[in-house]
Amino acid sequence: DIQMTQSPSTLSASVGDRVTITCRASQSISSWLAWYQQKPGKAPKLLISKASSLESGVPSRFSGSESGTEFTLTISSLQPDDFATYYCQQYNSYPLTFGQGTKLEIK
Amino acid sequence: EVQLLESGGGLIQPGGSLRLSCAASGFTFSSYAMTWVRQAPGKGLEWVSGIGGSGGSTYADSVKGRFTISRDNSKNTLYLQMNSLRAEDTALYYCAKGTLRSYNEFDYWGQGTLVTVSS
Repeated sequence: DIQMTQSPSTLSASVGDRVTITCRASQSISSWLAWYQQKPGKAPKLLISKASSLESGVPSRFSGSESGTEFTLTISSLQPDDFATYYCQQYNSYPLTFGQGTKLEIK
Repeated sequence: EVQLLESGGGLIQPGGSLRLSCAASGFTFSSYAMTWVRQAPGKGLEWVSGIGGSGGSTYADSVKGRFTISRDNSKNTLYLQMNSLRAEDTALYYCAKGTLRSYNEFDYWGQGTLVTVSS
């Protein structure tokens, strides 16, 4: 199985900050990586697919990038609505696997 | 508007069975892969099973042989038959829709149905 290791597990930041969340795959997944945002009591929301393709309606302050087996979600200027938990997911091969999540908290 | 509405969860004893349903609307159901993802209380997301538009299915090792995914395209409904339930199957079960680009990126999710396995 492909392991997805997210870091950090928790991130404290302020409105306006630029933040980066990293997800490392245990083997090559090409660009088959998605990022989701989940707020308490809500279903996950797809933000980015194919490593860097922003979903329709997602603010442009969100971006994704990749370098080998390391993938990054960047929020360029945090807004109050962005405080949530973020998950990466690989879909290069079965079983599909998620990272353990990064909780983005208000500092 | 795409809508996914799960049902069928509840409290069940270890070793018991449940069938979850996911009623879909707002899109051509038969054209899209569907999946089940679960989330144990306070934990992360875990993929459970997926099915293509015409019925090919895959499973996580943790549920293989115990769970069966199926769909009825005439009723726009996805199912998950869960047998031999264990305490570790306790979770909120989400159904989710694949995109046209990929079976396995999920652009719409239901609100989830809670399964609690306990004596």
